[in-house]
Amino acid sequence: QSVLTQPPSVSAAPGQKVTISCSGNSSIRNNYVSWYQQLPGTAPKLLFYDDYKRPSGIPDRFSASRSGTSASLVISRLQTGDEAIYYCGTWDASLSAVFGGGTRLTVL
Amino acid sequence: EVQLVGSGGGLVRPGGSLRLSCTAAGFTFRSYAMSWVRQAPGKGLEWVSSISGNGDTTYYADSVKGRFTFSRDNSKNTLFLQMNSLRAEDTAIYYCARNNYDSFDYWGQGTLVTVSS
Repeated sequence: QSVLTQPPSVSAAPGQKVTISCSGNSSIRNNYVSWYQQLPGTAPKLLFYDDYKRPSGIPDRFSASRSGTSASLVISRLQTGDEAIYYCGTWDASLSAVFGGGTRLTVL
Repeated sequence: EVQLVGSGGGLVRPGGSLRLSCTAAGFTFRSYAMSWVRQAPGKGLEWVSSISGNGDTTYYADSVKGRFTFSRDNSKNTLFLQMNSLRAEDTAIYYCARNNYDSFDYWGQGTLVTVSS
């Protein structure tokens, strides 16, 4: 069972905005959160690190934030190509990485 | 360009062993901690193990501790995951990934391990 909790699925229409939440315990309070996008049949890809920092090449339609033990990923101006599973991740006190269960985004 | 290429997956019987490899290119390999993350069919991501840049320190998930050994050869830019006493629940795609502080910034393409009789 993940220490990070994500909704199993979210959906929205093209052009709309969607928010994916990630809630956790003290692990998420004391360590940075990262976000990953996994397109169908591919390896995960880093979307955000250190809570909100976007690697080069990630469109600014994607944004992330963290407040206390909760983090959020926001995708604006949705495109069909954004359909993927999104994971949040962090580290716990025993220096083990932990991931949320993943959220499947459907662009209707 | 950073590249991580995993290999060594396959079909193995319960109780058997397998060694995965991951060859890195495009960055100063010894400067980065590295990890293995797996994904069972239709399931989410599960961290397996991490290793420091010089290979002196390793960390393991409880689910694999005592059965898996993570090592690296910095002269060959290669990671190894020795997996012993394999179980059906170890069936997954195994990804090698580069650690960048608190995140995994590059991932290999994954190699499939199937444990079945």
